[in-house]
Amino acid sequence: DAGVTQSPTHLIKTRGQQVTLRCSPKSGHDTVSWYQQALGQGPQFIFQYYEEEERQRGNFPDRFSGHQFPNYSSELNVNALLLGDSALYLCASSPGLADSYEQYFGPGTRLTVT
Amino acid sequence: AQKITQTQPGMFVQEKEAVTLDCTYDTSDQSYGLFWYKQPSSGEMIFLIYQGSYDEQNATEGRYSLNFQKARKSANLVISASQLGDSAMYFCAIRGYGQNFVFGPGTRLSVLP
Repeated sequence: DAGVTQSPTHLIKTRGQQVTLRCSPKSGHDTVSWYQQALGQGPQFIFQYYEEEERQRGNFPDRFSGHQFPNYSSELNVNALLLGDSALYLCASSPGLADSYEQYFGPGTRLTVT
Repeated sequence: AQKITQTQPGMFVQEKEAVTLDCTYDTSDQSYGLFWYKQPSSGEMIFLIYQGSYDEQNATEGRYSLNFQKARKSANLVISASQLGDSAMYFCAIRGYGQNFVFGPGTRLSVLP
């Protein structure tokens, strides 16, 4: 039973560029959440996708956007990259939208913006 | 709004001894869950233990137990018989019903041989 997978593992981009990160949820999970974890801090919630729609969003600018596909996998897109976007981006999946506390994290994508 | 406070940036413990990692929270929700996650240097967040706000007994999972004091809004993690592999970052988090996780800043635990 595959857990949450993310790609790529590491990524280096230049300021102003755009980046796409990918996530496949754990088998049986249909909800995907994305988190940004800056160095030395706890993860911060970016947004959540369920039934191919963004359901909740944290305090992140519109440069951060996402998508969920019919197979429940998800993408996180960041436009006009800033140095401050350098972080570990974590994807988490869960079975259902609201009342399940169960949330499994992937290994993350480490993004470096130079 | 929900908030998690972890006042210990770093902790040291001798192998085989017990250690308590502190967590206090703030929420206006009546129904919520409290969680602890472990994050090794590899980066993956590993779920350790969960406590529901209406659970009367403290949660336990193997060597992990959660000391839940609702009136004090406290949810401390106790690790018994520490092992070298327990060295990692530990995050406390809260989730209100239908909401997403809010994490604290974490505590770095170092287990000494």
